[in-house]
Amino acid sequence: RKEVEQDPGPFNVPEGATVAFNCTYSNSASQSFFWYRQDCRKEPKLLMSVYSSGNEDGRFTAQLNRASQYISLLIRDSKLSDSATYLCAINTNAGKSTFGDGTTLTVKP
Amino acid sequence: ETGVTQSPTHLIKTRGQQVTLRCSSQSGHNTVSWYQQALGQGPQFIFQYYREEENGRGNFPPRFSGLQFPNYSSELNVNALELDDSALYLCASSPGMADHRSGYTFGSGTRLTVV
Repeated sequence: RKEVEQDPGPFNVPEGATVAFNCTYSNSASQSFFWYRQDCRKEPKLLMSVYSSGNEDGRFTAQLNRASQYISLLIRDSKLSDSATYLCAINTNAGKSTFGDGTTLTVKP
Repeated sequence: ETGVTQSPTHLIKTRGQQVTLRCSSQSGHNTVSWYQQALGQGPQFIFQYYREEENGRGNFPPRFSGLQFPNYSSELNVNALELDDSALYLCASSPGMADHRSGYTFGSGTRLTVV
């Protein structure tokens, strides 16, 4: 079993839809949690950190459930430009991230 | 503030050859991590350098080695290249081990093809 698992998708949604991704992790000692966005053939870019109380950045909301060991990313009012692969990353030791394989989102007109 | 820069951007090598990839970390960042990303997969941790010392290594053979220099730039060396080494190699810098909530800044990567 992988340390970090994501539903690979693809998720195909119409513009304006709300879509949510989950990411489960196996190490209960995990300390920090992140979502990255990766466009085709580009490097991952940090989208947002995930805090224990949950956090929001515009149309994006991230949540952490330590008891069930998963994090989630909710995207409201999807835009065409949101089409990308979304990677979750978990830090079990200070500074080193373990990544999931990503969830692919395609937003269609 | 300069970002993370990697060179070269693309590289084609023959099986059995050796390759050196380079990375300049973001200004103010003293920690560099290297990742290998195969097509359709997430980045896989190779190793991390903090203040010129290796600080952790992933499940990669010894023919993957690295260095970090006093200016915090870094090199990844791969000996005896195999076809499966074909991947995107990503360098990520971060402010330091103590700041584990900061996330990474990635370079644009080196796309290595082994033929």
